[in-house]
Amino acid sequence: AQKITQTQPGMFVQEKEAVTLDCTYDTSDQSYGLFWYKQPSSGEMIFLIYQGSYDEQNATEGRYSLNFQKARKSANLVISASQLGDSAMYFCAMREYNRGAQKLVFGQGTRLTINP
Amino acid sequence: EAGVTQFPSHSVIEKGQTVTLRCDPISGHDNLYWYRRVMGKEIKFLLHFVKESKQDESGMPNNRFLAERTGGTYSTLKVQPAELEDSGVYFCASSREFEQFFGPGTRLTVL
Repeated sequence: AQKITQTQPGMFVQEKEAVTLDCTYDTSDQSYGLFWYKQPSSGEMIFLIYQGSYDEQNATEGRYSLNFQKARKSANLVISASQLGDSAMYFCAMREYNRGAQKLVFGQGTRLTINP
Repeated sequence: EAGVTQFPSHSVIEKGQTVTLRCDPISGHDNLYWYRRVMGKEIKFLLHFVKESKQDESGMPNNRFLAERTGGTYSTLKVQPAELEDSGVYFCASSREFEQFFGPGTRLTVL
């Protein structure tokens, strides 16, 4: 079974600083996908970024980038120039395939607080 | 394009009662998923529909939970009878391919 581990329950960062949220994963699949979602206090889950296991380049989306280190099985999210609106829960997830079905397996989440 | 919508946003019921949650996926998305997060724990998969068929229901906790997807459009998740441990946030997501778009969730409180 696949597993996602986020070891940072909470992080506090000064506004405008860069922040790295850790995510490690465990899978025996050769083909997989990794996702990051943001959940602000309003509760909705917002898709941020996706990395495929065969992608050679790290995914980037605006201020978000995914530091993908396949050999170490890590997929850390880097947020550059943090803003107050980045304060939220962040979830790392992996897509798991099983006989044609697919689902996301989530980590425990990291609560990020940006201080002014 | 309208996103995934869920109704109600909050529901407070007593133990033993029945609750039905509804999810309307993004138009054209054949894949529909239910997840839930109970207090302090990670988000867990419940089941996956492809159109009106249940592709994977391995995450459904027990037979008190019943999910349907009428005509491959909206989906309902019924909990009958509800227990205290069912409290949490129930998310619905839909996808065309790999990217799953989530709804705002339904917060269920069982007293």
